[in-house]
Amino acid sequence: EVQLVETGGGLVQPGKSLKLTCATSGFTFSTAWMHWVRQSPDKRLEWIARIKDKSNNYATDYVESVKGRFTISRDDSKSSVYLQMNSLKEEDTATYYCTLRDYWGQGVMVTVSS
Amino acid sequence: DIQMTQSPSFLSASVGERVTLSCKASQNINKYLDWYQQKLGEAPKLLIYNTNNLHTGIPSRFSGSGSGTDYTLTISSLQPEDVATYFCLQRNSWPFTFGSGTKLEIK
Repeated sequence: EVQLVETGGGLVQPGKSLKLTCATSGFTFSTAWMHWVRQSPDKRLEWIARIKDKSNNYATDYVESVKGRFTISRDDSKSSVYLQMNSLKEEDTATYYCTLRDYWGQGVMVTVSS
Repeated sequence: DIQMTQSPSFLSASVGERVTLSCKASQNINKYLDWYQQKLGEAPKLLIYNTNNLHTGIPSRFSGSGSGTDYTLTISSLQPEDVATYFCLQRNSWPFTFGSGTKLEIK
């Protein structure tokens, strides 16, 4: 059974950092392209980052709204993907999902507020 | 970025009714169009990928069609468990972009 479990969310002040972790199981993680998607309080969905597999040099892509502030990374030995979020803004407040596209985690909430 | 426009934003229909949801892209997306269903308090769930391919375990009352810039999700006979918000997603080019959703309710 495919499982994706996100952790690391919480309340953080603007300008601060937070790191999300997505622990996975039930599929061949090392060949999977992994993604982060977020959903804002008004329910809009935004595909924010992806990381390809080793055969694609672990290439990464970001949506413009997080480029330069967020970093996606992976550890194939731990079947985990991460999202390092720096210089957080109030508009980053959202539920963050880790996804394979066809399987999704349950999401983790991030609230950026002073 | 490719803009995705869904219509209608809200739809109320009766059980057993045929329902059609639309999604329009700002440019040709070459059938790289997925549909997701999101029920209250849950993560999105993939229904259809690449315009018309039913994901594993999805009931056959769901179907998709389209090409170019115009795509459709059809529910042939609406069931009570289909109450949800439906989102389209284009994967033709990065960044992937979602429509703003169609909220479907039972009349």
